[in-house]
Amino acid sequence: EPEVTQTPSHQVTQMGQEVILRCVPISNHLYFYWYRQILGQKVEFLVSFYNNEISEKSEIFDDQFSVERPDGSNFTLKIRSTKLEDSAMYFCASSGLAHVYQETQYFGPGTRLLVL
Amino acid sequence: EDKVVQSPLSLVVHEGDTVTLNCSYEVTNFRSLLWYKQEKKAPTFLFMLTSSGIEKKSGRLSSILDKKELFSILNITATQTGDSAIYLCAVVLSGAGSYQLTFGKGTKLSVIP
Repeated sequence: EPEVTQTPSHQVTQMGQEVILRCVPISNHLYFYWYRQILGQKVEFLVSFYNNEISEKSEIFDDQFSVERPDGSNFTLKIRSTKLEDSAMYFCASSGLAHVYQETQYFGPGTRLLVL
Repeated sequence: EDKVVQSPLSLVVHEGDTVTLNCSYEVTNFRSLLWYKQEKKAPTFLFMLTSSGIEKKSGRLSSILDKKELFSILNITATQTGDSAIYLCAVVLSGAGSYQLTFGKGTKLSVIP
């Protein structure tokens, strides 16, 4: 069964450093998303991406964040200068091709980011 | 502000019990409601509900949506220890060409033998 994959599973970084989180969405999906979940809190929407551009972004997704689809398979989230409060689990999700299935977003296993 | 509220926040039951998890919402541009099960890491998809009154079933799990009263329930019958997880409710909002999810805090279900 196709699935969303993410690398790395864990990332530890120093405050102020740049990190890139990687995702491979389900093949043939067209909509891609990043969410984050701070420990003990709810899953929060960060950004959605379609047709090689950002469709929507939340207020969390400020200028420190960027997304890219550098090739036909990868989808990345970059945090330019990490802050302590960026420590969280970051989930990538993708949703499908046919209109009726677009809302069913399939999630990857997440990257646990710890900023020291 | 869009809001999704789940209750209870946590629940402990014995194997074989039946549980009902609740999700209410106040959002603009509602499109549909999804239930996910989160065990260790990734939320895994359970149900998508778009229309009121139509029950979705998968084995011992079932769910229904009431768009008039703005809530959904997830039922699990004959619970097993493997049902222990956090159950997430998320509402799909239709925006400009994409469908962001707004999540509730989740219900942590613990099933004890």
